[in-house]
Amino acid sequence: GQNIDQPTEMTATEGAIVQINCTYQTSGFNGLFWYQQHAGEAPTFLSYNVLDGLEEKGRFSSFLSRSKGYSYLLLKELQMKDSASYLCAVLDSNYQLIWGAGTKLIIKP
Amino acid sequence: ETGVTQTPRHLVMGMTNKKSLKCEQHLGHNAMYWYKQSAKKPLELMFVYNFKEQTENNSVPSRFSPECPNSSHLFLHLHTLQPEDSALYLCASSQSGVTDTQYFGPGTRLTVL
Repeated sequence: GQNIDQPTEMTATEGAIVQINCTYQTSGFNGLFWYQQHAGEAPTFLSYNVLDGLEEKGRFSSFLSRSKGYSYLLLKELQMKDSASYLCAVLDSNYQLIWGAGTKLIIKP
Repeated sequence: ETGVTQTPRHLVMGMTNKKSLKCEQHLGHNAMYWYKQSAKKPLELMFVYNFKEQTENNSVPSRFSPECPNSSHLFLHLHTLQPEDSALYLCASSQSGVTDTQYFGPGTRLTVL
């Protein structure tokens, strides 16, 4: 079966750095998305990776290793507003989008 | 604001009621989606419409019935639901398919009594 694994919950301190991991076992791979979802709000797009390596966008970076079936989202200089759930989703060879259950990130002062 | 609106935001219904969820996108997209989001579970894709044609129905029970009258509007008609159908129902749109970034609405929080 197809599977996306993410930690259920993580806690970090304001101003620090946190890395949220996502591992996947899917039938093929056509890209990986990260979305952010604040409580009670819509998920919003953060990043898309299809090639190996690190993509940086301001305080957020996303890394992909296709050979390892692994991605991470790196958040730097954490702010209280970064408290949210972070969803990982993989596009498989049939262009089906497989979603992880999300990682709830709690930022403490 | 993501350009995708959903109404109502909250809905409580009995198991014998009939209700409809509405989604509207103002982004000029051609693909629209219905998802079910339950606590601590992955998003479940329910239906996909591309250029108003239904292209996917992921074994969704017939008590959920989608309707897409045009590329900007999507409905989810509900009837004789079960308590386990209580969840957040999210609508999303994308330019032309799942390879494109999806833009989500805020969701309808549905409670079935």
